[in-house]
Amino acid sequence: QKEVEQNSGPLSVPEGAIASLNCTYSDRGSQSFFWYRQYSGKSPELIMFIYSNGDKEDGRFTAQLNKASQYVSLLIRDSQPSDSATYLCAVNMNTGFQKLVFGTGTRLLVSP
Amino acid sequence: GAGVSQSPRYKVTKRGQDVALRCDPISGHVSLYWYRQALGQGPEFLTYFNYEAQQDKSGLPNDRFSAERPEGSISTLTIQRTEQRDSAMYRCASSYGQGGSYEQYFGPGTRLTVT
Repeated sequence: QKEVEQNSGPLSVPEGAIASLNCTYSDRGSQSFFWYRQYSGKSPELIMFIYSNGDKEDGRFTAQLNKASQYVSLLIRDSQPSDSATYLCAVNMNTGFQKLVFGTGTRLLVSP
Repeated sequence: GAGVSQSPRYKVTKRGQDVALRCDPISGHVSLYWYRQALGQGPEFLTYFNYEAQQDKSGLPNDRFSAERPEGSISTLTIQRTEQRDSAMYRCASSYGQGGSYEQYFGPGTRLTVT
């Protein structure tokens, strides 16, 4: 079993819809959880991070964490074609520095 | 301001040669990370520096790989006796602090091809 699992997609949604991206992780001791966006041929860039159970909202993005189920998700409201990218879930299993374990990423395609 | 820079951006080398990949972090960032990213995969942790101290090198695949950050700024990842399986994108990231709340900023990467 991989430490961080994501569906590789592609996940196709129409413009204006809600995109729901999911991630599960294996280590119950994981401390913090990150969502990165990576456009094709570019470097990953941080969208959000979450530490506590529940929801965290930032603009059109909402991260959801359920530690009991070892599940973290990212919702993108009012999806735009410019949101089309690969979304990487990363889990920090370390109590010191950010030792991130990344999933393989989910490719999101938003059609006009 | 300037972001993380890496050089060279592309490197083609023959099997058995040594290569050195350079990372110049954002000024003032104390934490520096090296990752390797294969096509269609997420980045894979290689090693971590806090200032000049290499605090974790557990992700380095074998002893052909080494890294240094002698003055706590620029870092070099060296691969000796390269093999074809070393071909990948090598990415460097830096963050202002060490803790879990500091954002890691990634550089553009060095695409290494071993022929």
